[in-house]
Amino acid sequence: DIVVTQSPDSLAVFLGERATINCKSSQSVLYRSNNKNYLAWYQQKPGQPPKLLIYWASTRESGVPDRFRGSGSGTDFTLTISSLQTEDVAVYYCQQYHSTPVTFGGGTRVEIK
Amino acid sequence: QVQLVQSGGGVVQPGRSLKLSCAASGFSFSDYTMHWVRQAPGKGLEWVAVVWYDETRKFYGDSVRGRFTVSRDNSKNMLYLQMNSLRGEDTAVYYCAKEATTLGYCSPTSGCLATDYWGQGTVVSVSS
Repeated sequence: DIVVTQSPDSLAVFLGERATINCKSSQSVLYRSNNKNYLAWYQQKPGQPPKLLIYWASTRESGVPDRFRGSGSGTDFTLTISSLQTEDVAVYYCQQYHSTPVTFGGGTRVEIK
Repeated sequence: QVQLVQSGGGVVQPGRSLKLSCAASGFSFSDYTMHWVRQAPGKGLEWVAVVWYDETRKFYGDSVRGRFTVSRDNSKNMLYLQMNSLRGEDTAVYYCAKEATTLGYCSPTSGCLATDYWGQGTVVSVSS
């Protein structure tokens, strides 16, 4: 199974400042046949289901603000929120969907400092 | 618009069974591979199972394999999760989720797809 590790577990950032979340997979999630990284990012607010933000490691889902940016390839990935807004307070999960079992990182809680 | 409306959760004793349902609308259900994901209280997300769009293949997480069965009825736009031999550690909010693109072939040897729509979640509590 592919183990996905996120860091940090939580972070507090000033409004308007940058938030950076890291995600590392125990093996590459890149399929060379199509050059796609099978890695997604989700945002979850209390009492709500997860919301897809980023897929293929760097493609923003429709309607997601451009302050959310996904990057990385192979085993190391990053979600960057360029200018944190109050509505971004949430828990963020990375997910590998390279193969079953699909696995998630442990989550990163983002708060306002 | 895409909707996934879940039902069937509740409180159940250890060892008993429960069946969850997920009613899909707003998209061509029979073209999409579907997943179940759960979240224990205060914990992270755990993938449970996947069923291909045509129900020809199903795969499960290690913690539920042999006890849970995923199924679908494409004629009724319904997804199901039959949960048998329930344990305390199965206590969680269960979500159904739709893959983002049609005709996904999610398996141990081929890539899945990200999930773009999720149900509202249904609570399963296993307790004596």
